[in-house]
Order: sequence, then structure tokens, then C-alpha cells
Amino acid sequence: DAGVIQSPRHEVTEMGQEVTLRCKPISGHDYLFWYRQTMMRGLELLIYFNNNVPIDDSGMPEDRFSAKMPNASFSTLKIQPSEPRDSAVYFCASSTSEGRETQYFGPGTRLLVL
Amino acid sequence: QKEVEQNSGPLSVPEGAIASLNCTYSDRGSQSFFWYRQYSGKSPELIMFIYSNGDKEDGRFTAQLNKASQYVSLLIRDSQPSDSATYLCAVRSGGYNKLIFGAGTRLAVHP
Repeated sequence: DAGVIQSPRHEVTEMGQEVTLRCKPISGHDYLFWYRQTMMRGLELLIYFNNNVPIDDSGMPEDRFSAKMPNASFSTLKIQPSEPRDSAVYFCASSTSEGRETQYFGPGTRLLVL
Repeated sequence: QKEVEQNSGPLSVPEGAIASLNCTYSDRGSQSFFWYRQYSGKSPELIMFIYSNGDKEDGRFTAQLNKASQYVSLLIRDSQPSDSATYLCAVRSGGYNKLIFGAGTRLAVHP
């Protein structure tokens, strides 16, 4: 089975540009998580969805960040406008209600904002 | 005070030794505790989770939990160079599926 798929794997953009990160969870998983990892702050949960509905977005840093999950197989994390301090690795993870202890992480998107 | 604290390391151990990784947490109401391994440039992967006080063993790995002391640890027996990675402690806190991660401890196993 394919794992969590993220695209792009690397993104370099200039400050002020819009950035869209994409995630396809494992088929059948009803939880989806967006994390951000930096050296300074470690791995932080930004937002998570259950059955396509956002449950907790308290980790979203500010209004420049938004996330959507239009269907069970696709989610986006958008940053508009991007800033250099948004440079990080962004991970998407998914899990099931029954196996909620195990979150499966995607390979991550390495974002660099110049 | 950070919610989940770990020594950043690096923790250096010789091959074949026992590596001991420690983690403390601040929320006394936390009920589930996790250890993830992350190789450089890769994504985190779950090694073990533990709910109850005491020890839980899985192969060369043993997780230990002491809720009274708000302390969780991971022991790796017979450490191998392939165990060299960053180990992240995570605690379920607040929401149903919300994990709070520590900053991680870098482990280096040298031949």
C-alpha cells in the first residue's frame, strides 16, 4: 500500500508568494494531521482533521496559514503571503480511529522562503 | 516550562551497550506516551507507545512510564549503529488525537 503522499518534496519561493502544500492520506484513514518541524521549535502540530472536518487548528501560527480537506483523499496547507520564518519541513500524517495510536507520516515538504 | 522536555544530546554509546533516553512532561492528565524515531532527513516513525505505569517491551526496545514522576524513558538494548537517529518523545494532551512532541534526543551509536 502507498503511504502518505506529499507534494512537492521541496519548494523554494520568495517572500510574499503564495505556497500550497498537498497531502494524500493513506486510503481508509479518517484522521489527517499537518505538522511543522524546525530546529528552533521542533515538531509542532498545526491542525488536524477528522472525516474531512477541522477539529483543532490552535497550532496554526497566524491568518497567513490556512488548511482545507475537500475530500477524504486530499488536503492542502496554504501560506499566503509566505515569509522567511515559514521555512521549515512540513509533514502530513494520517491515522484511523481504531488505530489512532499510530500516526503514519509522509516524507515531508522542505520549504525555503527567501 | 515546555510541555515535553528531552535532553537534546547527542547521547553517544558504544555498539552493544544500552542506550537510555529520557523524557519529562508537564500535564499530569496525560494518558498516552509515544516514542518516535527520526533518521536525518526522514519522517518520524512510531517505535512504541505506553499507557500504564511500568515497563513495556518490544524486541530490543523497552518503554518505561512513571506517572507520579511524570517521566517516560526508552531503553535500547544491544545498540546498533543503525539505531543512530533522533528519538522524539510525544504525549497525548488535550484533544483526542493531539500529540505534543519533545525536541528530541540525538543518539549516536559508534562501532
